[in-house]
Amino acid sequence: DTVMTQTPLSLSVTPGQPASISCKSSQSLLHSDGKTYLYWYLQKPGQPPQLLIYEVSKRFSGVPDRFSGSGSGTDFTLKISRVEAEDVGVYYCMQSIQLPLTFGGGTKVEIK
Amino acid sequence: ELQLLESGGGLVQPGRSLRLSCAASGFSVSSHFMSWVRQAPGKGLEWLSVIYSGGSTYYADSVKGRFTLSRDISRNTLYLQMNSLRAEDTAVYYCARDGGQQDYFDYWGQGTLVTVSS
Repeated sequence: DTVMTQTPLSLSVTPGQPASISCKSSQSLLHSDGKTYLYWYLQKPGQPPQLLIYEVSKRFSGVPDRFSGSGSGTDFTLKISRVEAEDVGVYYCMQSIQLPLTFGGGTKVEIK
Repeated sequence: ELQLLESGGGLVQPGRSLRLSCAASGFSVSSHFMSWVRQAPGKGLEWLSVIYSGGSTYYADSVKGRFTLSRDISRNTLYLQMNSLRAEDTAVYYCARDGGQQDYFDYWGQGTLVTVSS
């Protein structure tokens, strides 16, 4: 199985300040089809997860441009350029290059 | 409007069975890969099973042999038959639509809580 390791476990951020979350996979997520199967989700309190980023760096429909993703191979990063109050929740990375699909352990973001 | 609505959760004793449903609207479950994902209380996300548009199914080792994913195209509904339930199966169960082919989950249901306890 592909193990996804996220750091840090939690972040406390002042509104308007940036935040960064790391995700490392135990295997390369670059497929022979040229796509990298790495995704980012945000789970707000009491809600199901929502897709933020797909294929490393593509923002899903309606996702603000303060969210950006980067990385390649096995190392990936989600950045929030200026954290807002509505960004609180738990962020998960996920790989789908192979079954079983696996998620990182999550990073809880709270506002100072 | 595209929607996924899970039902069937509840309190069940260890060793018993439960069947969850996920009713879809706004799209056909037969035209998308569909998965079940669960979340134990206070824990992270765990993928459980997928049914491909062609009907093939795959399972996580944690539920293989105990859970069965199926669909009823006429009802546009997914089912997760859960047998031999254990305390560690206690979780919120979500169904989710794959936006591609083993790609990202673009739509999720609100989840249904399963509690396995005597």
